[in-house]
Amino acid sequence: GAVVSQHPSWVICKSGTSVKIECRSLDFQATTMFWYRQFPKQSLMLMATSNEGSKATYEQGVEKDKFLINHASLTLSTLTVTSAHPEDSSFYICSARDASGGDTEAFFGQGTRLTVV
Amino acid sequence: GDSVTQMEGPVTLSEEAFLTINCTYTATGYPSLFWYVQYPGEGLQLLLKATKADDKGSNKGFEATYRKETTSFHLEKGSVQVSDSAVYFCALSPDTGGFKTIFGAGTRLFVKA
Repeated sequence: GAVVSQHPSWVICKSGTSVKIECRSLDFQATTMFWYRQFPKQSLMLMATSNEGSKATYEQGVEKDKFLINHASLTLSTLTVTSAHPEDSSFYICSARDASGGDTEAFFGQGTRLTVV
Repeated sequence: GDSVTQMEGPVTLSEEAFLTINCTYTATGYPSLFWYVQYPGEGLQLLLKATKADDKGSNKGFEATYRKETTSFHLEKGSVQVSDSAVYFCALSPDTGGFKTIFGAGTRLFVKA
């Protein structure tokens, strides 16, 4: 199946700093990518839909100025957590679907564990 | 809106026991249905999927059948192993386009030797 790579797999940052997480589709093009957040022992909650060449669509309750999403190419979307605080510590996972439409499921990255100290 | 409901865990079984994890969904039209598995400290892996009514998805001994009449997609395995210990997520992708995935709360499975 298609491969989605997320980087970094884990990061520790100081409170007040910004962190960028990358999501790449390695062997297919993705016009749309999705960013999820998972708190410990909870399910995945969709944060935003990243659209290549246009603004991201954020789910209700997600601060777009805090979680900046850029989808500059058909294979890369980035999520930047700005002015991170300890409550932003979480597991962030991206997914992407093949733009050619051949697959019915989204492919997920391995996730990024963010710890803000 | 669309949603997925799955049985609460944790589920604790002995090795070689039969596993059922119930999942029901609410959606308009004909969504695609999935089971994902998440091992400790890792991301999600697609376990199996079904895209239309009466389809049966299967993989690694796990099975689930898309039941339109009961809006269900229960996960089953005849004989679990210790290595099956993980969190299992039932999910759907609406057929209205957009391709986002809606997840259930997840069910944690512990298999004892």
